[in-house]
Amino acid sequence: DQQVKQNSPSLSVQEGRISILNCDYTNSMFDYFLWYKKYPAEGPTFLISISSIKDKNEDGRFTVFLNKSAKHLSLHIVPSQPGDSAVYFCAASQGGSYQLTFGKGTKLSVIP
Amino acid sequence: DAGITQSPRHKVTETGTPVTLRCHQTENHRYMYWYRQDPGHGLRLIHYSYGVKDTDKGEVSDGYSVSRSKTEDFLLTLESATSSQTSVYFCAISKTGGSPDSPLHFGNGTRLTVT
Repeated sequence: DQQVKQNSPSLSVQEGRISILNCDYTNSMFDYFLWYKKYPAEGPTFLISISSIKDKNEDGRFTVFLNKSAKHLSLHIVPSQPGDSAVYFCAASQGGSYQLTFGKGTKLSVIP
Repeated sequence: DAGITQSPRHKVTETGTPVTLRCHQTENHRYMYWYRQDPGHGLRLIHYSYGVKDTDKGEVSDGYSVSRSKTEDFLLTLESATSSQTSVYFCAISKTGGSPDSPLHFGNGTRLTVT
């Protein structure tokens, strides 16, 4: 049973435009959500997170939106740059848990 | 780089042989994790540690064991490797167990091939 779902395996976006990566979850107990970026042959790198008490968190070009009623979060990258081309993983955990549950990832390609 | 070294970076081994992967951290973080990444599965937790000699199972722990005798080292052992354990293995660390002020930081992975 997949509790964190990233339904788009890949996404292509023109440089300078907005990239929107989506993530859905089924476990209503999740209260902490993260996005990781992964380049080939490297480990995932933490990008941005959001707690369930918020509906938006922003860090430079990256903004994460959380819609708890829909059990949906999204990562917006504006403007997209070629260096943003990577696999993006959505992850979630519930209070007091040491474990993160990851989605399968979305491969973003930013075209110059 | 969060001060995490995984060794070896690549390994090819035969079915039935024991294999040990090592994760070494220089951050003095309490929590350490082993994940595996496979196509179509994202990252899945194998085992984790919340202190020296304190470990627990993750969602895909069958066929794996771990040990943590020092804060800085977390070992993952495949007692008898199988082809289904061919994967990329990532170690991660966290100061406070993945809370909002201490997300997991990952090493660069070990690519293991079991023939």
